[in-house]
Amino acid sequence: GQQVMQIPQYQHVQEGEDFTTYCNSSTTLSNIQWYKQRPGGHPVFLIQLVKSGEVKKQKRLTFQFGEAKKNSSLHITATQTTDVGTYFCAGRKGGGNKLTFGTGTQLKVEL
Amino acid sequence: GAVVSQHPSWVICKSGTSVKIECRSLDFQATTMFWYRQFPKQSLMLMATSNEGSKATYEQGVEKDKFLINHASLTLSTLTVTSAHPEDSSFYICSASRDLTVDIQYFGAGTRLSVL
Repeated sequence: GQQVMQIPQYQHVQEGEDFTTYCNSSTTLSNIQWYKQRPGGHPVFLIQLVKSGEVKKQKRLTFQFGEAKKNSSLHITATQTTDVGTYFCAGRKGGGNKLTFGTGTQLKVEL
Repeated sequence: GAVVSQHPSWVICKSGTSVKIECRSLDFQATTMFWYRQFPKQSLMLMATSNEGSKATYEQGVEKDKFLINHASLTLSTLTVTSAHPEDSSFYICSASRDLTVDIQYFGAGTRLSVL
């Protein structure tokens, strides 16, 4: 079945440092979404990427969708303590409405 | 808009009993609702997809007689864990989407189930 892996699994950074998480799917995706889950909380939608090679920015967050539509990345510039949480990518295959969530990257930001 | 309410947020039950979890879309009609299970520090594993008025579609390995899903209206889906055992202890999260070609899934706050 479809697998979506993320690396790294954990990342500790000092506040102000940059952070990147990478998402790789075993199959081609129709689109990919990114969610953030704070400790003890539930996933919150961040963004959706649809087009091959697409790049979107939200303030300090930059999202990319690979040319082959099998990988994606999320880059945070100058992390803040509010960025703490687990970031999940979630891929949709074909025309279905089912999402396959990635393994997640847990980000910790230290002062 | 797009608020999903999930209840209860936390439940403790004895082994052998059944537990019902409700998922409601408060300000939109959800044509599709999803039920996930999440173990500590792990990803969300899709258990089933439910569409209003039809039987749920279960993922491979998920026992449909164990995890009963009912999607009786466009705003309510329920998950009943029948004859719960300690290995069913987990974090269960529902999500809802607005239409069949969906984009965004809006998540409930989750239910932490502990089976003694």
